[in-house]
Amino acid sequence: SAVISQKPSRDICQRGTSLTIQCQVDSQVTMMFWYRQQPGQSLTLIATANQGSEATYESGFVIDKFPISRPNLTFSTLTVSNMSPEDSSIYLCSAGQGLGWEAFFGQGTRLTVV
Amino acid sequence: DAKTTQPNSMESNEEEPVHLPCNHSTISGTDYIHWYRQLPSQGPEYVIHGLTSNVNNRMASLAIAEDRKSSTLILHRATLRDAAVYYCILRDEDAGGTSYGKLTFGQGTILTVHP
Repeated sequence: SAVISQKPSRDICQRGTSLTIQCQVDSQVTMMFWYRQQPGQSLTLIATANQGSEATYESGFVIDKFPISRPNLTFSTLTVSNMSPEDSSIYLCSAGQGLGWEAFFGQGTRLTVV
Repeated sequence: DAKTTQPNSMESNEEEPVHLPCNHSTISGTDYIHWYRQLPSQGPEYVIHGLTSNVNNRMASLAIAEDRKSSTLILHRATLRDAAVYYCILRDEDAGGTSYGKLTFGQGTILTVHP
């Protein structure tokens, strides 16, 4: 199993600013992902965080808005750039080992943009 | 991506069994059927997964139709703590595919458990 810690757990930010969310896994994992959960909605995959290379983004998400880093097998960051109120969501980090693995999720970062 | 269809909501009484259905008529040969649940104010947690055969673990059982076009998550004795959104997800286990390892969440089933 893997335990995922996200920081911060919540934040209130001014529009136009940026927030970096950290995701720390207590063991080395092969795959890491970032999801967004808008109020009252299901989870939407933002991107796959690739270790040592650029993240792979899903349709509708771009690197300029959501830059992602993954410097090693236990850590990743997601930045929400130039925020607007529409970015108010819960952002979740997920990790797993590969074929047949179960995915583990952090508790999420609840972001409010005012 | 293969899609799943679940009822929007279901209700149960405490200590009674709950059968949560999921339809996935476009499932492919490399898709595993995964179930996750999301308790209030928490990230999703893994419940169970399977490919063709029925599966049991300490949390639940997964019954998979012979043609794999539907499945049912079974909670044998619901407790108040089981109140959550339950997601049925098809995950592509083709390591060479572009969707490898990803989870595509639908709207899920909101399970309410009554005391």
